[in-house]
Amino acid sequence: AQKITQTQPGMFVQEKEAVTLDCTYDTSDPSYGLFWYKQPSSGEMIFLIYQGSYDQQNATEGRYSLNFQKARKSANLVISASQLGDSAMYFCAMRDSWGKLQFGAGTQVVVTP
Amino acid sequence: EPEVTQTPSHQVTQMGQEVILHCVPISNHLYFYWYRQILGQKVEFLVSFYNNEISEKSEIFDDQFSVERPDGSNFTLKIRSTKLEDSAMYFCASRRFATSEQETQYFGPGTRLLVL
Repeated sequence: AQKITQTQPGMFVQEKEAVTLDCTYDTSDPSYGLFWYKQPSSGEMIFLIYQGSYDQQNATEGRYSLNFQKARKSANLVISASQLGDSAMYFCAMRDSWGKLQFGAGTQVVVTP
Repeated sequence: EPEVTQTPSHQVTQMGQEVILHCVPISNHLYFYWYRQILGQKVEFLVSFYNNEISEKSEIFDDQFSVERPDGSNFTLKIRSTKLEDSAMYFCASRRFATSEQETQYFGPGTRLLVL
């Protein structure tokens, strides 16, 4: 069975600093995908970044980067130069071989001035 | 930029009533999903749909739930007889292909359902 674990329920980070959000996973599928989504207080789910299990390089999208360590089964999200608008809940998710996403419990990030 | 749309944004209903949640996936996408998020909890998979049939469903998706793609654009979730515990945010999502380069699932803004 697949499992996604986010161990940080909440984090405070100062504006302009970098923050790392932890995500570990467990799966027996040889092919899988890892995603990060942002959920602001308004409720929508905003796609941030994707990493395929066979991708050789870590994914990057602007200020977001994914630190993918396959042997450790971790896919941590790094947000560089935090902004006040980054305050939100962040979910790590894994796609299984059938295509559905399984989500972690989320990490609430609060960016302070 | 194309996006997934959902209507209504909010729905209040009485226990036992039927509700239909509407979604318009991105037009060239082939795979469709419904997820739900009970307040304060994580997002849970309900059902996936491909080629006009259900490809997978979770234990949550019991006989009270059904999905339809009545035309080429809409994708609906019906709850036949709502229960209090059905109160949640319901998200529709779609993706285009199964290849790794284009596997991103894009989510709609959600429908917040409140069952009284």
